[in-house]
Amino acid sequence: DSGVTQTPKHLITATGQRVTLRCSPRSGDLSVYWYQQSLDQGLQFLIQYYNGEERAKGNILERFSAQQFPDLHSELNLSSLELGDSALYFCASSVEATRGTDTQYFGPGTRLTVL
Amino acid sequence: GENVEQHPSTLSVQEGDSAVIKCTYSDSASNYFPWYKQELGKGPQLIIDIRSNVGEKKDQRIAVTLNKTAKHFSLHITETQPEDSAVYFCAASIRRAAGNKLTFGGGTRVLVKP
Repeated sequence: DSGVTQTPKHLITATGQRVTLRCSPRSGDLSVYWYQQSLDQGLQFLIQYYNGEERAKGNILERFSAQQFPDLHSELNLSSLELGDSALYFCASSVEATRGTDTQYFGPGTRLTVL
Repeated sequence: GENVEQHPSTLSVQEGDSAVIKCTYSDSASNYFPWYKQELGKGPQLIIDIRSNVGEKKDQRIAVTLNKTAKHFSLHITETQPEDSAVYFCAASIRRAAGNKLTFGGGTRVLVKP
């Protein structure tokens, strides 16, 4: 158990809908990262937050957004869902944001299925 | 941006044999190279990592080597056991003030046959 929690574990929804995925980092970690894992794209970085502020952005679609709250939990919002958004979404956390050598611990993931 | 390539994509070994997975990266600024193990239905689990000021690191049956000149790093698992069967991912992180994203290789599915 990494100490990172994600809810829900599974999510099934229809095209065009909007969903929210939630992540709680390990105790003491200030950074939260979101990754998408799909069969054709592998594990891809979406976005990083550090102590409430966006710190880095990857290949995140404009239909997707995220935020980190004062209690450091984070939410990933996915809107206007398409079939291709079906994937595993992982949250990871780490202590610091800037050194480039900071260990990231992954949560168990949320499996999103868009029908 | 950074690109990480991982080989092989699948690896089948006999229990007790060694397994080697190789990765190459493109950006010489990368300074952190973790390896993750992912079992079915679970999130990636860090098994070992290496930083660019170190050439080799060992942890029991697992070792990682880094060749900065050639920009490649490898994972070595000795005395493989059935519980080593999983998908393994290498990753690289670029030193930046703005963030700390990991770029992952495509993964290696390892099957240890009893």
